[in-house]
Amino acid sequence: QKEVEQNSGPLSVPEGAIASLNCTYSDRVSQSFFWYRQYSGKSPELIMSIYSNGDKEDGRFTAQLNKASQYVSLLIRDSQPSDSATYLCAVFMNRDDKIIFGKGTRLHILP
Amino acid sequence: GAGVSQTPSNKVTEKGKYVELRCDPISGHTALYWYRQSLGQGPEFLIYFQGTGAADDSGLPNDRFFAVRPEGSVSTLKIQRTERGDSAVYLCASSHREGGELFFGEGSRLTVL
Repeated sequence: QKEVEQNSGPLSVPEGAIASLNCTYSDRVSQSFFWYRQYSGKSPELIMSIYSNGDKEDGRFTAQLNKASQYVSLLIRDSQPSDSATYLCAVFMNRDDKIIFGKGTRLHILP
Repeated sequence: GAGVSQTPSNKVTEKGKYVELRCDPISGHTALYWYRQSLGQGPEFLIYFQGTGAADDSGLPNDRFFAVRPEGSVSTLKIQRTERGDSAVYLCASSHREGGELFFGEGSRLTVL
């Protein structure tokens, strides 16, 4: 099993709908989780971090964490064309003390 | 500047040459990471510094790659005898603490001809 897994997509979502992005990870003792957005030709930019089980909301974004299932997700409400990008899930691997990224999910918001 | 600075932004070199890529992290950030990203892939971990020491260099592909951070601030990634397969965007990121949120520079795009 890869350390951080994401569906590569592309995920196509109509404008105004909810986009749901998923990520699973292998290290059971991981404590820190991050979502980054990356536009083509640009570097990753932090959207949210989450450390505790449950939901964390920031504007149109909600991160969800389930440590028992080793699963973290990102919901984007009221999707906009400007949300079209690659979304990267990152996990701080406590066993190795390093942050590992998934391959990313390409999201396409349809106008 | 306030953000992570990487130089050069673009580097074209010939196979077999030596290359240095520089990263200047956000002031006060003790953690510094190097990643490599190829087209369509996520950032691939190379090396992590906490202060001056390399806390984890397990991601360096082979002994042609080496990185230093002598004063706990600026870091240099060094690649010897470059190969075409080394072509990628090299990303540097820093954080105020181990396991904390990473902030990325704009990357150094390396092309080996």
